[in-house]
Amino acid sequence: EAQVTQNPRYLITVTGKKLTVTCSQNMNHEYMSWYRQDPGLGLRQIYYSMNVEVTDKGDVPEGYKVSRKEKRNFPLILESPSPNQTSLYFCASRGLARGYEQYFGPGTRLTVT
Amino acid sequence: AQSVTQLDSQVPVFEEAPVELRCNYSSSVSVYLFWYVQYPNQGLQLLLKYLSGSTLVKGINGFEAEFNKSQTSFHLRKPSVHISDTAEYFCAVNTNAGKSTFGDGTTLTVKP
Repeated sequence: EAQVTQNPRYLITVTGKKLTVTCSQNMNHEYMSWYRQDPGLGLRQIYYSMNVEVTDKGDVPEGYKVSRKEKRNFPLILESPSPNQTSLYFCASRGLARGYEQYFGPGTRLTVT
Repeated sequence: AQSVTQLDSQVPVFEEAPVELRCNYSSSVSVYLFWYVQYPNQGLQLLLKYLSGSTLVKGINGFEAEFNKSQTSFHLRKPSVHISDTAEYFCAVNTNAGKSTFGDGTTLTVKP
């Protein structure tokens, strides 16, 4: 089954404790992206990657890091989480051409206290 | 730069009534437009997309959208909604540079 998986689905942590949210896709997609969803703000793009070792900032990259060492994986790293990073996070992937739709993971709900 | 504006944050309708969810966009380049739906506690999934050709696009679950280049709009419509259509709906554009921009979302609530 074609899918995007994220882990963990739920995470509660404390300020400053480094964490990683994993994302994996099995569709051989070149493009992968991370979004955060906050009430009334829609989805905002954090980082995206057009291929292995190629990443770029989205609209809200501050406080986040990503890496793309393998085509199927695109982890999101919060080196020093803060309460304003409490949010619902989605990973997505698609083919490279602009006309391709994105496939979304189920989401990771992160709470930073 | 591009932007997407969904003109209604919440749309309440009665079951079997028609509905229109409005989306305007701005872009300096040609656009590919998408509507996604998010059911409660789930990720987003594609409803329909406009790439080129016919300006009327049909999607899943009886939804359709019309691309209007002169008005820079891509409104989503359904002639008769069901309770199960209650969800959040997002309009989005993809750009040449690989970025995707989403609207703020419209919450559709279908009442019995």
